[in-house]
Amino acid sequence: QVQLVESGGGVVQPGESLRLSCAASGFTFSRYGMHWVRQAPGKGLECVAFIRYDGTNKNYADSVKGRFTISRDNSKNTLYLQMNSLRPEDAAVYYCLREVWDSSGRGSFDYWGQGTLVTVSS
Amino acid sequence: IQLTQSPSFLSASVGDRVTITCRASQDISSYLAWYQQKPGKAPKLLIYAASTLQSGVPSRFSGSGSGTEFTLTISSLQPEDFATYYCQQLNSYPYGFGQGTKLEIK
Repeated sequence: QVQLVESGGGVVQPGESLRLSCAASGFTFSRYGMHWVRQAPGKGLECVAFIRYDGTNKNYADSVKGRFTISRDNSKNTLYLQMNSLRPEDAAVYYCLREVWDSSGRGSFDYWGQGTLVTVSS
Repeated sequence: IQLTQSPSFLSASVGDRVTITCRASQDISSYLAWYQQKPGKAPKLLIYAASTLQSGVPSRFSGSGSGTEFTLTISSLQPEDFATYYCQQLNSYPYGFGQGTKLEIK
């Protein structure tokens, strides 16, 4: 069965860095685009970053552009999010998830990890 | 692309039929998905491509719409349906979400 397991969250001070990881299993990781989505406490969902299945295309939300970097290692079935210059407003649960498109061009986020909590506080 | 859900809060009883609306700021064709989220859990995909039911999701959930206006309908509320619901557009990145609709027990 498909599993996405995030790790690397924790408590950091403003301006510090953190790297999140997401270990994927149960599917052919190298065939799927992957996303990071975050949710601040008590708030809604925000797409943060996307990476194409082969790593050749990446997109970022304006709120993190220039500070966050998404990457993947298809040989290790692992997705990463390097977060630099963290701000209090980056505090959230970060979810790793899989994007899927069927043969009719219909897309969705069909599997989500359980999330990892990032706290940014002085 | 901005998504606006209405209502933001909805109080209903078991057995009720409820409808949640999601409006997009521009035409997104049928590139819309609906998710259900319970406290402390990751969102769960219910519907994609505006009206296609995800495998394993009960048939009391249905979606409709295209262009800029979409609806999620639950035909007969069950106790496990009380949760927060989000719409999401997949027309162009960033794939934004609506602000959510919290469905509470009356």
